[in-house]
Amino acid sequence: AQSVSQHNHHVILSEAASLELGCNYSYGGTVNLFWYVQYPGQHLQLLLKYFSGDPLVKGIKGFEAEFIKSKFSFNLRKPSVQWSDTAEYFCAVKGYSGGGADGLTFGKGTHLIIQP
Amino acid sequence: AAGVIQSPRHLIKEKRETATLKCYPIPRHDTVYWYQQGPGQDPQFLISFYEKMQSDKGSIPDRFSAQQFSDYHSELNMSSLELGDSALYFCASSSPPGGTDTQYFGPGTRLTVL
Repeated sequence: AQSVSQHNHHVILSEAASLELGCNYSYGGTVNLFWYVQYPGQHLQLLLKYFSGDPLVKGIKGFEAEFIKSKFSFNLRKPSVQWSDTAEYFCAVKGYSGGGADGLTFGKGTHLIIQP
Repeated sequence: AAGVIQSPRHLIKEKRETATLKCYPIPRHDTVYWYQQGPGQDPQFLISFYEKMQSDKGSIPDRFSAQQFSDYHSELNMSSLELGDSALYFCASSSPPGGTDTQYFGPGTRLTVL
């Protein structure tokens, strides 16, 4: 079974600051990795995903993430945050079993607050 | 673009009652997933279906059951409701299943058990 660990549960930044949210996972095989964002009172929206290939993936709204296999990490970054980035951020992993609709395993989430 | 539709959006039930949540996947998506998100918690995977067959099972209580119908919509049936079942229930859909699918989430059904 896989597990996901997000290092920071609460992060407070000022606008224009740089952001990095840590995510580590444990799984013995091939994984698919995701970052989802949940704005207050809304549903989960996909920010970006990694399946294979270039370990640096770019997502929506200026977010990017880097997959480092040797560190089992998939950290989320944004060079300059905006007030509208205030939300809950979830890292998620899906172990690739070669078929079947396997569920995602989520981290506990990081509550990001951007101060104007 | 069409998204995942869930109904109802809000549901209030008494303890020991039953509830049925519905999920309509994105058109041409044949795989449906159910998740439960308690207050301040991360989403927990409950169960998934592919082509109307149960595919994967997570932490779904025995009091809950689910199925996927011929039009690919899915229903989550919850019986003998408990206070602890109060949560946001998300449905997600994807196509095709397997290693490289992406799950798209619906708006959720907020269930309150009194």
